[in-house]
Amino acid sequence: AQSVTQLGSHVSVSEGALVLLRCNYSSSVPPYLFWYVQYPNQGLQLLLKYTSAATLVKGINGFEAEFKKSETSFHLTKPSAHMSDAAEYFCAVSDSSASKIIFGSGTRLSIRP
Amino acid sequence: EAGVTQFPSHSVIEKGQTVTLRCDPISGHDNLYWYRRVMGKEIKFLLHFVKESKQDESGMPNNRFLAERTGGTYSTLKVQPAELEDSGVYFCASSQWVSSYNEQFFGPGTRLTVL
Repeated sequence: AQSVTQLGSHVSVSEGALVLLRCNYSSSVPPYLFWYVQYPNQGLQLLLKYTSAATLVKGINGFEAEFKKSETSFHLTKPSAHMSDAAEYFCAVSDSSASKIIFGSGTRLSIRP
Repeated sequence: EAGVTQFPSHSVIEKGQTVTLRCDPISGHDNLYWYRRVMGKEIKFLLHFVKESKQDESGMPNNRFLAERTGGTYSTLKVQPAELEDSGVYFCASSQWVSSYNEQFFGPGTRLTVL
């Protein structure tokens, strides 16, 4: 069965600093992985997705994630944090049946001025 | 193009009452999904419609929850009678196709509070 684990329920960085949100996955088949973001009072928005075409995936708003099979990781990064990046971020994997998405517990990102 | 919409945005009810949540998917999306996030926990899958048929309802917690999608357009999720543990945020999502890499588009959610 597929699953994802997000390390750190809350991450705080200074504006302009590197953002690193960690995600490890478990999957018995090649995984399809996603990062979603939820801004305050809004729905979930897809940041990026990994579909095996390339290990480094670029998403919206300057975010990217690298798929590392040897480490079973799909960490999300952004070189320079902006105040508008404050949100909750969810790593997710598609179930092998394709019927559902399995989410991690979420990481709340705070940006310090 | 309008996104997935959900109504109401918030609902506060007493234990034992009934609540009905509504989801309008993106036009043309045959696949509609319900998820919920109970306080402090993961977002969890409830069920998946393909048009008006329930494709997968393995995540429905118990028979107090009833989901319908008459005519294959909007969907409702009824909780009757509501219990305290039903409090949380209920998300609806839709997609055009079913595939492992196909994006599901999410609505803003309905925050349900059961007192």
